[in-house]
Amino acid sequence: SAVISQKPSRDICQRGTSLTIQCQVDSQVTMMFWYRQQPGQSLTLIATANQGSEATYESGFVIDKFPISRPNLTFSTLTVSNMSPEDSSIYLCSVVLAGYYNEQFFGPGTRLTVL
Amino acid sequence: DQQVKQNSPSLSVQEGRISILNCDYTNSMFDYFLWYKKYPAEGPTFLISISSIKDKNEDGRFTVFLNKSAKHLSLHIVPSQPGDSAVYFCAAKEGAQKLVFGQGTRLTINP
Repeated sequence: SAVISQKPSRDICQRGTSLTIQCQVDSQVTMMFWYRQQPGQSLTLIATANQGSEATYESGFVIDKFPISRPNLTFSTLTVSNMSPEDSSIYLCSVVLAGYYNEQFFGPGTRLTVL
Repeated sequence: DQQVKQNSPSLSVQEGRISILNCDYTNSMFDYFLWYKKYPAEGPTFLISISSIKDKNEDGRFTVFLNKSAKHLSLHIVPSQPGDSAVYFCAAKEGAQKLVFGQGTRLTINP
């Protein structure tokens, strides 16, 4: 097993500002992902975080709005830029641990409220 | 286009009885299926998974059944315990592709 931590755990932000969320893993990781869970909805993949290169974004998500960095194998950041109330969601990082192929393991999430 | 569907938004079961959560999918190329449990204010926790080459996988109180011809999988929890009360998500993937999640089913175990 591994410990996957996210910072901050929650935040309340003003419209038009940006928030950077960090994800740190204490084990070897092959893949990292960022998801969003809007209120009452399922989990939606935002992007795959690629080490040392640009993230791979899903349809409907763009780098200008959700810039992602992954400077090393076990750390990634997601920024939610120019926020609006519609960005109020839980943001989750997930990882595929070394030795696994199919299972993704999730961090505790960051609950974001935009006023 | 929802490729993974959980048609029951909620389910209520008495403690000690069996809980059965259902999931349907449309993409016949999915070859791996997973169930996650999520408590409020926590990230999803991996529960159990099954490859498309199998029709059953068991882990303690949890059993997942896969019916490929019907494109249907189910999660059985026996016996159900109060700590099982949570939202359960099924997910599916095709090869190295991304996980696709269902909408979730809120399970409530009543004492």
